[in-house]
Amino acid sequence: DIQMTQSPSSLSASVGDRVTITCQASQDISNYLNWYQQKPGKAPKLLIYDASNLETGVPSRFSGSGSGTDFTFTISSLQPEDIATYYCQQYDNRRGALTFGGGTKVEIK
Amino acid sequence: EVQLVESGGGLVQPGGSLRLSCAASGFTFSSYDMHWVRQATGKGLEWVSAIGTAGDPYYPGSVKGRFTISRENAKNSLYLQMNSLRAGDTAVYYCARMIRLGAFDIWGQGTMVTVSS
Repeated sequence: DIQMTQSPSSLSASVGDRVTITCQASQDISNYLNWYQQKPGKAPKLLIYDASNLETGVPSRFSGSGSGTDFTFTISSLQPEDIATYYCQQYDNRRGALTFGGGTKVEIK
Repeated sequence: EVQLVESGGGLVQPGGSLRLSCAASGFTFSSYDMHWVRQATGKGLEWVSAIGTAGDPYYPGSVKGRFTISRENAKNSLYLQMNSLRAGDTAVYYCARMIRLGAFDIWGQGTMVTVSS
């Protein structure tokens, strides 16, 4: 099974700061990597698909990059409404299986 | 409106069974792979099962042999039959629509399953 190592598990930043989260796959996953935002009591929301594509309606301050085993998610200017937990997720199309990273809780300093 | 609505959660004793349902609307249900994802309170997301458009199922090792995913396209419905339930299966269960390279663009609101005596 492909393992996803997401870091950090939590971070605290000020409004306007640049925030970066990383996700490392245990083997090459090409660009089968997606990023989600989850607020308390709510279902996850897709932000980035195929490693770097912004989902429709998602603010442009969110971005993703990477391929192979190393991926990065960035919030260019943190806003109060971005307080949430963020998850990466990989898809193994050969086995029809997928795994999520452990999550990163983002808080305002 | 594109929507997924789960139902069927509740309290069940260890070793018991439960069947979850997910009603889809606003899109051509039969054209999409569908998944179940769960989340224990305060924990991360865990993939539970998937079913392709042809009805082909996929499971992680943690539920294989205990859970069965199925779909009924005529009723725009997805199901998860859960048997031999354990305390560790306690979680909110979400159904989700898969698009593109394995991304979930639509999620239900979730249904809570509690396994306890």
